[in-house]
Amino acid sequence: NAGVTQTPKFQVLKTGQSMTLQCAQDMNHEYMSWYRQDPGMGLRLIHYSVGAGITDQGEVPNGYNVSRSTTEDFPLRLLSAAPSQTSVYFCASSSVEQGISPLHFGNGTRLTVT
Amino acid sequence: QKEVEQDPGPLSVPEGAIVSLNCTYSNSAFQYFMWYRQYSRKGPELLMYTYSSGNKEDGRFTAQVDKSSKYISLFIRDSQPSDSATYLCAMNQAGFGGYQKVTFGIGTKLQVIP
Repeated sequence: NAGVTQTPKFQVLKTGQSMTLQCAQDMNHEYMSWYRQDPGMGLRLIHYSVGAGITDQGEVPNGYNVSRSTTEDFPLRLLSAAPSQTSVYFCASSSVEQGISPLHFGNGTRLTVT
Repeated sequence: QKEVEQDPGPLSVPEGAIVSLNCTYSNSAFQYFMWYRQYSRKGPELLMYTYSSGNKEDGRFTAQVDKSSKYISLFIRDSQPSDSATYLCAMNQAGFGGYQKVTFGIGTKLQVIP
């Protein structure tokens, strides 16, 4: 039972480079999201999706793109990396049920932009 | 002012101690209250959740919500070295199922010393 899988685990980029952070889940969850975690700032929502073909912006969407072509995958694209995007990125998924459904997180991608 | 305030610690306690972790919040619309535990280099995992006010107990862990004071707590009894982690409070509004538009605290780092 893999849960939420994120790749790569670590990445170093130069300013201006682009890259895609991968996220896949095998729990058939409708909801998927991307967070970044920075010291003193906590987890902040970047983008989220409530199903294939549906995405929306979170709190800090600038500089990032997402798409959701399948239920399982939710990649995050950095268009032109900036040092301010140095962070730990977490993908999280959840089922859409009545009541409370917890977020299931991956183990993160640690990104450094130089 | 942040919507959710949490003391980052670190908090260092001897094994067997009772630990109290707390968060305050400003948004009176919050209805779901959660505690996530995050081990080093891992993603957060849901520890406990409560809906609206009251207490909830699960083994050595007790979650309390005081909506009149906008204050939530997590108590850990008989703390163990394996409890050493960062504890994140999290909350969102009714209708968002505990997974959408979740606001996280910055986390309190706990170390339990054998």
